[in-house]
Amino acid sequence: EVQLLESGGDLVQPGGSLRLSCAASGFIFNDYAMNWVRQAPGKGLEWVSAISGSSGGIYYADSVKGRFTISRDNSKKTVYLQMDSLRADDTAVYYCAKRGPWELTNWGQGTLVTVSS
Amino acid sequence: DSQMTQSPSTLSASVGDRVTITCRASHSVSNWLAWYQQKPGKAPKLLIYKTSTLESGVPSRFSGSLSGTEFTLTISSLQPDDFATYYCQQYETYSLFTFGPGTKVDVK
Repeated sequence: EVQLLESGGDLVQPGGSLRLSCAASGFIFNDYAMNWVRQAPGKGLEWVSAISGSSGGIYYADSVKGRFTISRDNSKKTVYLQMDSLRADDTAVYYCAKRGPWELTNWGQGTLVTVSS
Repeated sequence: DSQMTQSPSTLSASVGDRVTITCRASHSVSNWLAWYQQKPGKAPKLLIYKTSTLESGVPSRFSGSLSGTEFTLTISSLQPDDFATYYCQQYETYSLFTFGPGTKVDVK
């Protein structure tokens, strides 16, 4: 069974940093691209970032480009999202998701990031 | 970048109703579209991928189709467990997933 467990969400001040982690199990981790998707309170889903299985391809939404960094450690079956220069509009539940060819097949339970002074 | 629209934004229905949700891209980038169901406080769940392929374990009352440039999610007979918000998602490039704004299905 595929399992994705996010952690690292917290309350942080504007301009601060936070690192999210997503521990995976139940599938051959390095065979799959992984994504981060966020959802602001009461809002819809927004794709944030993606990383290929080998880390050779890394992609970001324009809204986070230059501030967020995605990475993965295949030996630990974990994907990370380093978030710097956080703003109030980054407040959201952050989900990690396993990617299929054109869709996100499995999602974690999410971790809440709150950016506020 | 492609923008996705969904209609309606809210749909009030009763158990047993046939429910249809539509999704359209501002410009067609592929024929591959996915649908997700999300319940309050929970992660989204994949229902349908490649426009019409049912994810394993998803009840057969859910179906997806494409007509022209309009994608459709249909629930043939709404069940109590189906009251939720539904999102479409199109794959534009390897680097870009675009979600629709969502359709909330609530109790009439």
